[in-house]
Amino acid sequence: DQQVKQNSPSLSVQEGRISILNCDYTNSMFDYFLWYKKYPAEGPTFLISISSIKDKNEDGRFTVFLNKSAKHLSLHIVPSQPGDSAVYFCAASAATGANNLFFGTGTRLTVIP
Amino acid sequence: DTEVTQTPKHLVMGMTNKKSLKCEQHMGHRAMYWYKQKAKKPPELMFVYSYEKLSINESVPSRFSPECPNSSLLNLHLHALQPEDSALYLCASSQVLNRAGNSPLHFGNGTRLTVT
Repeated sequence: DQQVKQNSPSLSVQEGRISILNCDYTNSMFDYFLWYKKYPAEGPTFLISISSIKDKNEDGRFTVFLNKSAKHLSLHIVPSQPGDSAVYFCAASAATGANNLFFGTGTRLTVIP
Repeated sequence: DTEVTQTPKHLVMGMTNKKSLKCEQHMGHRAMYWYKQKAKKPPELMFVYSYEKLSINESVPSRFSPECPNSSLLNLHLHALQPEDSALYLCASSQVLNRAGNSPLHFGNGTRLTVT
């Protein structure tokens, strides 16, 4: 049973425009959410996270928004750059004392120069 | 460069072989993880070590045997694997969680395992 879902397997965006990647979750116990970026032949690289006590966290070109009532989060990348082309995974965990991350299935972002 | 180093990068083994995957981190993290990722699927947790003690085993078959010799090293011993065990095996580390906050996992680049 997939507790974290990314319903868009792929997204194409023009360079300089905004990329919006979406993620939904079903487990109301999740209170920590992360976005990872993955290039081929590499492990996932941590991008940005957000705790459930916040609804927005920003780091440079990357902003994550959390809507707890809708059990939805999104990652905004502005402006998008060709180097951002990768697979993006959403992940979530509950504060149980161990960091068991549940991953979404990923969205492949292609930024067109 | 990733701060979590995994060796080997690629491994091909027969079903009767015994091999080991190795992982090393020097970030002072006291939690280490093994994940398995099949093609076009998300990473799935296998094991978690916290302070060198096994804290989570996600019902992984006994042909996978983890070992944490010290706070910087994590091994995964493989024996009598099946072809369906072919996957990317990812190691990760993090600070140990506490109620004051959470800590992101930092992943290595993985070992691509093929079982023939």
